[in-house]
Amino acid sequence: GQQLNQSPQSMFIQEGEDVSMNCTSSSIFNTWLWYKQDPGEGPVLLIALYKAGELTSNGRLTAQFGITRKDSFLNISASIPSDVGIYFCAGQTSGNTPLVFGKGTRLSVIA
Amino acid sequence: KAGVTQTPRYLIKTRGQQVTLSCSPISGHRSVSWYQQTPGQGLQFLFEYFSETQRNKGNFPGRFSGRQFSNSRSEMNVSTLELGDSALYLCASRADLTGFAATNEKLFFGSGTQLSVL
Repeated sequence: GQQLNQSPQSMFIQEGEDVSMNCTSSSIFNTWLWYKQDPGEGPVLLIALYKAGELTSNGRLTAQFGITRKDSFLNISASIPSDVGIYFCAGQTSGNTPLVFGKGTRLSVIA
Repeated sequence: KAGVTQTPRYLIKTRGQQVTLSCSPISGHRSVSWYQQTPGQGLQFLFEYFSETQRNKGNFPGRFSGRQFSNSRSEMNVSTLELGDSALYLCASRADLTGFAATNEKLFFGSGTQLSVL
């Protein structure tokens, strides 16, 4: 089945640093999404991307839909303690197909 | 507007038992999906229901089943529990008002049911 390779698996960074994570696939997706999950909660959508090459921001977060449609990137600038959590990428082929998730990047921020 | 509500939050069962988990979607949402989340495998899709019909199914054994009621509420059932079924089970809903599942319809997740099988 379809799989997403998300890296890195975990990151420890200092408060104020920038963060980059990415997601790659052997399959093409027409939608890429980035979610964040806090402990004890379900994932919350951060950014949705619908077009190859698209670059979208949400506050300090910026995500890009790769040109090949097989990858996506998420950057967080000037990290703060509340950025701690697990970040998941997800791909979708069409509206009627389920989301395929990466295994997540666990982010820890050291104050 | 209330979010996606899942009950119970925590559940402990023993091997061989069966369990039923409940999900109430956001009011007005017609599509409900279920995912299994484990530390090793991440989020794995179980099934999606729309208008009381299963629309998509993931690669899980027949012990995992679900249903959707006319008010869009959904339940999933796992029979003959195994130790490996221990996981966080997440329910997610989206509006899907037309039935054509537009790609820009956001999926909203509940907080999940943490199932432990002993």
